[in-house]
Amino acid sequence: ETGVTQSPTHLIKTRGQQVTLRCSSQSGHNTVSWYQQALGQGPQFIFQYYREEENGRGNFPPRFSGLQFPNYSSELNVNALELDDSALYLCASSLAGLAPDTQYFGPGTRLTVL
Amino acid sequence: AQSVSQHNHHVILSEAASLELGCNYSYGGTVNLFWYVQYPGQHLQLLLKYFSGDPLVKGIKGFEAEFIKSKFSFNLRKPSVQWSDTAEYFCAVKGGAGSYQLTFGKGTKLSVIP
Repeated sequence: ETGVTQSPTHLIKTRGQQVTLRCSSQSGHNTVSWYQQALGQGPQFIFQYYREEENGRGNFPPRFSGLQFPNYSSELNVNALELDDSALYLCASSLAGLAPDTQYFGPGTRLTVL
Repeated sequence: AQSVSQHNHHVILSEAASLELGCNYSYGGTVNLFWYVQYPGQHLQLLLKYFSGDPLVKGIKGFEAEFIKSKFSFNLRKPSVQWSDTAEYFCAVKGGAGSYQLTFGKGTKLSVIP
């Protein structure tokens, strides 16, 4: 069984730039959720994708957007990067339809905005 | 809106000491409760979960947690900690049917001294 994978591991960007982070879900899972974990904090929910559509969204501005592909992999896009976007971005996959579901996390992408 | 409070920011114990980490949540309906662990340099891993039934749940590596509905609590316990338990522990809550996001506490860092 393949776990959740994310790429890249680390990324350095400057303010105003755009970034794309990628996630491959665990085999057999059809739902992907994205979280932002700032230093010293717990993960905060950004949004979830199911059947290639956004299924729910946390308190994040529209410049945070995402995609889910037919193979259930996903992308997180952040436009107009701000210094406060520096964080660990976590992807979690789960199997919707198996209520209640459990989310399994990938290793994360560490984003630094200078 | 749901929220999670973890009372201890940093706990330091000697090996063989007993552990109890507090977690209280705020949510009016049916909840699913989780404890995740993040070992140094590793990704978030599921330690245990409560969905329904017996309020005392057992997880991996000798951990257990008790759901006390009247106290909105889900405390994590281990009778005898080991140096390898050094990690950060996160409590998380998800609302009942139809809910999609995990809400995390800020985490408790556990340091076990040999």
